Order: sequence, then C-alpha cells, then structure tokens
Amino acid sequence: EVQLVETGGGLVQPGGSLRLSCAASGFMFSDYDMDWVRQPPGKGLEWVGRFRSKNNGYTTVYAASVKARFTVSRDDSEKALYLQMNSLKTEDTAVYYCARTKYCSGGSCALDSWGQGTLVTVSS
Amino acid sequence: AIQLTQSPPSLSASIGDRVTVTCRASQDIRSELGWYQQKPGKAPKLLIYAASILQSGVPSRFSGSGSGTEFTLTISTLQPEDSATYFCLQDYNQPWTFGQGTKVELK
Repeated sequence: EVQLVETGGGLVQPGGSLRLSCAASGFMFSDYDMDWVRQPPGKGLEWVGRFRSKNNGYTTVYAASVKARFTVSRDDSEKALYLQMNSLKTEDTAVYYCARTKYCSGGSCALDSWGQGTLVTVSS
Repeated sequence: AIQLTQSPPSLSASIGDRVTVTCRASQDIRSELGWYQQKPGKAPKLLIYAASILQSGVPSRFSGSGSGTEFTLTISTLQPEDSATYFCLQDYNQPWTFGQGTKVELK
C-alpha cells in the first residue's frame, strides 16, 4: 500500500524558516516525480513544486509564488521528500501535502497518491 | 500560467441526480486534465486523469470528457458519499494549476 506521511508543520513567525518532510513507503520511491501542493484554510489547492525522478532528469520546478524562497529536495535512499521554506509570509499559511505523480505515456500526468497533510501557520 | 475556471462554484442536488461540473482552460491543453475529489479534512483523491480515464478503484458513475479548453466531470447517479468539493488540475505545462473548486452538496 502506498503511504505518504508529512511531518514538520507548525507555527512560525513571518520571515522565518521551516522544513517539511514526507516519508514514503509501499512503492519504488526513486522511480517517481514527487510534488508538494498546499491549501490555505478554507481555500483551494495550489501546486507548489516538484522534484523529478532520476529518469526524468532529477530536476526541480516551482510555482512563481514560492520560487527563490522554497526548495524541494529528496533522498531516494531514505525514500523521503523535503520542502525547505525560507522567508515565510503570512500568505504561506496552509496545509501542505506531499503527492506522488502518476506516469503516463507523455510523462507525469496526475497526482495519484497524497499524504494527509501538515499545517503550517505563519503568524506573529 | 494556464488558468482553469470551474463552474458552478457550488451546486445542490438530490440522491440519484445526474451532476455535471465544468472546467474551462485559458488555452488549449489537449486532454491533459484530471479531476479530484476532496472531502472536509481529507486529502484530495484522484478520480479521472487524461480527461477521461477512470483511476483504478473509482466507481464507474464518475466520468470525464472534453479536450482543448472545455472539460466536464459527470456523476451519473449522485450518491450520499459524493458530497465533496471537486477540483480540476491541468498537467499540460508547468506550473500545474488547479481550478478553484466546485462544492457538491446534497439536497
């Protein structure tokens, strides 16, 4: 069974930093692109960033709203995905989800497994 | 970034009704769109990918159609457990973007 478990959320002051972790199990983690998605309380979903698998170039891509402040990394030996968040703003307050991408013939095509999420609150 | 506009923002329907949700893209995204269901306090769940392919384990009352800029999610016979918010997500290019969601409630 595919499992994704996020940890590391909490309360942080504006301008502060936080590191989220996502522990994966039940599948060959190294074969998949992995994403972060966030959802502010009571609002919709926002795609945050991706770390592609080695087969897909082992590169990262980010949403414009977090580029230069957030960094996605991964450790395939530990089956873990990370999100380093710096220079946090109040608008970064959200539940952060780790998600696995589904591979289709043309590349990654959907998010087929999700963690339960971890809440990050940015407030003074 | 590609914008996705869902309609309606919310709807109320009865058990057994046919329900349709629409997602319109700001540019041609071929068939590179998926639909997700989210219940309160839970993570989203993939229902449909590549516009019309049913994800394994998802009931057959859910279906998707469309290509280009217009897409539709249909629930053929609404069940009590279908009360949720539904989101579309385009995977045509980066950054991936979501629609704003459609809340489906039971009458």
